[in-house]
Amino acid sequence: AQSVTQPDIHITVSEGASLELRCNYSYGATPYLFWYVQSPGQGLQLLLKYFSGDTLVQGIKGFEAEFKRSQSSFNLRKPSVHWSDAAEYFCAVGPQGQKVTFGTGTKLQVIP
Amino acid sequence: GAGVSQSPSNKVTEKGKDVELRCDPISGHTALYWYRQSLGQGLEFLIYFQGNSAPDKSGLPSDRFSAERTGGSVSTLTIQRTQQEDSAVYLCASSPYTDSPLHFGNGTRLTVT
Repeated sequence: AQSVTQPDIHITVSEGASLELRCNYSYGATPYLFWYVQSPGQGLQLLLKYFSGDTLVQGIKGFEAEFKRSQSSFNLRKPSVHWSDAAEYFCAVGPQGQKVTFGTGTKLQVIP
Repeated sequence: GAGVSQSPSNKVTEKGKDVELRCDPISGHTALYWYRQSLGQGLEFLIYFQGNSAPDKSGLPSDRFSAERTGGSVSTLTIQRTQQEDSAVYLCASSPYTDSPLHFGNGTRLTVT
């Protein structure tokens, strides 16, 4: 069965600093990978997805993620964080035709 | 267009009572998921419906939990004899086909007193 690990429960960054949120997955074949964001009081919104092809994917709000098969990772990055990026971020894996499994999330705090 | 709709948005119930949570997916979406979000627990998979296939119930935590999806559209999650540990936000999501991104509802916040 597939699984997702987000090792960082909580991260604090300064506004304008770069950001990297870690995600490791476990699945035997090439997975479908997603990052979702949940802002306070809001529903979950898709940031980006990887299905195949270019391993560096661009998403909304200036986010990108890189699929590294050798490391079983799909880390989320942003070069310059804005205060509005404070939210909880979820990595998810969805093998073909099977259920989508989410990680436990990383809460991002942005300080001025 | 209309998104995924869940009702009620909030539900407070007494321990031991049964509750029903409703999800109206986006029209035409064949895949429907239920997740549970507890404080510090992330999104816990509960059940997955895909078209007319048998649902994947592997995430249901006990036999007090059940779900059905009528006519390939509306879904109801039922929790019998609720316990305090059932308190959480229950999220429904749908997608147009397998492997496509999920569209989430705003959830039902269940509080068991």
